Amino acid sequence: ELKVEQNPLFLSMQEGKNYTIYCNYSTTSDRLYWYRQDPGKSLESLFVLLSNGAVKQEGRLMASLDTKARLSTLHITAAVHDLSATYFCAVHLGSGGSNYKLTFGKGTLLTVNP
Amino acid sequence: SQTIHQWPATLVQPVGSPLSLECTVEGTSNPNLYWYRQAAGRGLQLLFYSVGIGQISSEVPQNLSASRPQDRQFILSSKKLLLSDSGFYLCAWSQQPTDYNSPLHFGNGTRLTVT
Repeated sequence: ELKVEQNPLFLSMQEGKNYTIYCNYSTTSDRLYWYRQDPGKSLESLFVLLSNGAVKQEGRLMASLDTKARLSTLHITAAVHDLSATYFCAVHLGSGGSNYKLTFGKGTLLTVNP
Repeated sequence: SQTIHQWPATLVQPVGSPLSLECTVEGTSNPNLYWYRQAAGRGLQLLFYSVGIGQISSEVPQNLSASRPQDRQFILSSKKLLLSDSGFYLCAWSQQPTDYNSPLHFGNGTRLTVT
């Protein structure tokens, strides 16, 4: 059974600070996704990470994947209030396959304070 | 471009009543379709997925069922709702053939409260 653990689950930051969210998973996977969810809303895709060492950046967010360590990180640089949301990592079990049977972490609720 | 529609947006139903949530996808053919549920304060749990008309795979034994009567239509149903069925239900799609660079796309969700 694939287990996905995110930490921290709650993160309160000051604007302008940097921080990292961690996503650990328990078994082999060939792809990992990061999503953002605003309160009461659906999930918005942020990053797709497919290979060991993959790094992607969008604005103040940067995601990386280490498949050997079974670890992905989401780094926040110089946080701003608009980044306040819940962030999920989602991992696909195994390799190949045409479906997206993803296992989600519990999410990290990020609050950026002025 | 592809869009996914899900309705209703909110629903309050008494225990023991039936349920029908509908999801349709536009702009793509033969998508894989998924129903996820998000309980309060928790991550998402995959309930069902479908790779084609009439083909349903259940991931979690429960009080719910799913059907796919048309290529781009996915329905989540229950004959008798339980309190534990409350949650945020999200329909999602992925394209076939699979493009791993493309994420799973989610609808806007239905917030179900069973009273």
